[in-house]
Amino acid sequence: GAVVSQHPSRVICKSGTSVKIECRSLDFQATTMFWYRQFPKQSLMLMATSNEGSKATYEQGVEKDKFLINHASLTLSTLTVTSAHPEDSSFYICSAPGLAGGRTDTQYFGPGTRLTVL
Amino acid sequence: DAKTTQPTSMDCAEGRAANLPCNHSTISGNEYVYWYRQIHSQGPQYIIHGLKNNETNEMASLIITEDRKSSTLILPHATLRDTAVYYCIVRVAAGNQFYFGTGTSLTVIP
Repeated sequence: GAVVSQHPSRVICKSGTSVKIECRSLDFQATTMFWYRQFPKQSLMLMATSNEGSKATYEQGVEKDKFLINHASLTLSTLTVTSAHPEDSSFYICSAPGLAGGRTDTQYFGPGTRLTVL
Repeated sequence: DAKTTQPTSMDCAEGRAANLPCNHSTISGNEYVYWYRQIHSQGPQYIIHGLKNNETNEMASLIITEDRKSSTLILPHATLRDTAVYYCIVRVAAGNQFYFGTGTSLTVIP
């Protein structure tokens, strides 16, 4: 099946610094990728849609200047958390659409990145 | 916004079938039902999806009611490794976003 990777898997940073998270589709191309955030004991919350060659679209309430998204190629999307603060500490997960069993598409998720801001 | 309702938690004895229900009473004719699961601190894993016919694969079976307002995910022989949060999601196919609900936390008991 389709594989999506994320790097790093875990990052700890100081308040005020910026952190970049990479999401790669390893064996397929993705013109669209999605970024989610998950707080402890909560469900995944969609943050934004990353579009190759154009601007990302953000869900209501998500600050686009805070969470910068760049879809540099058909296999890579990056999420940069700018001027991170402790409240940005969360589990960040990306996904990309792929084919399930050769039929209608579905979403394949990365393993997630645990961000801790001190 | 999530368009599904699931019980918060369920238990299942190891080796028995786990039946996880999902209500999606406002589902549209072109929306598929997807099931994912998330084991602690990992990304969600695709299980199965369907439109209106029942579906089966190596992991599970999906039973969708005739009116499509609800569905049931069946894990035929639950193992301890099936302990996870199971999410039922409805969406239009072909690249649209997934909106997750609260899911069902399934605990498989030895």
